[in-house]
Amino acid sequence: KNQVEQSPQSLIILEGKNCTLQCNYTVSPFSNLRWYKQDTGRGPVSLTIMTFSENTKSNGRYTATLDADTKQSSLHITASQLSDSASYICVVSASYKLSFGAGTTVTVRA
Amino acid sequence: DTAVSQTPKYLVTQMGNDKSIKCEQNLGHDTMYWYKQDSKKFLKIMFSYNNKELIINETVPNRFSPKSPDKAHLNLHINSLELGDSAVYFCASSLGRGQKNTEAFFGQGTRLTVV
Repeated sequence: KNQVEQSPQSLIILEGKNCTLQCNYTVSPFSNLRWYKQDTGRGPVSLTIMTFSENTKSNGRYTATLDADTKQSSLHITASQLSDSASYICVVSASYKLSFGAGTTVTVRA
Repeated sequence: DTAVSQTPKYLVTQMGNDKSIKCEQNLGHDTMYWYKQDSKKFLKIMFSYNNKELIINETVPNRFSPKSPDKAHLNLHINSLELGDSAVYFCASSLGRGQKNTEAFFGQGTRLTVV
């Protein structure tokens, strides 16, 4: 069983709307949690990183939350744009090893 | 300047051939990785090297052999290619091991197609 589970697998939203992606993990010991954005045909690019003591982190229209007690994280996209169409991957770091979620594919339509 | 660069970007080859994918990073990082992204877009780690030392070797067939001539390079050699090897292979690097706020920087990927 994968140690990082993401939901939903995919979603479609209209431009300008908000959406929230979920990430649950069982990775231990926990170092940090990062959200990556992967555009089609490109490598993943980091959006946010959170350590154990951080509950929320924003990067423009992207806001990530972390509940280290329940081992859950979310990524909220505000006022979505067409360029937000991509896969969003939750990555949990334990020491030097990274554990990846399968990603959520977001499609923003005009 | 590209931080993590891998070549080639596309590779089409026949079954049974041997091929290599090269990766170089100019970030001064200590740790480099190879990931395989399958058709479901799930990234799975294959290998990790820290200062030229192999530290992660997941269950990968012996046909896959990483080579790290120095800490800025981690090449992937694949022998006797099979149809199931078709995937996108990503190289990545990060600063040190066991460090907080370790960010992995990814290359653009190499799409390998075995026919």
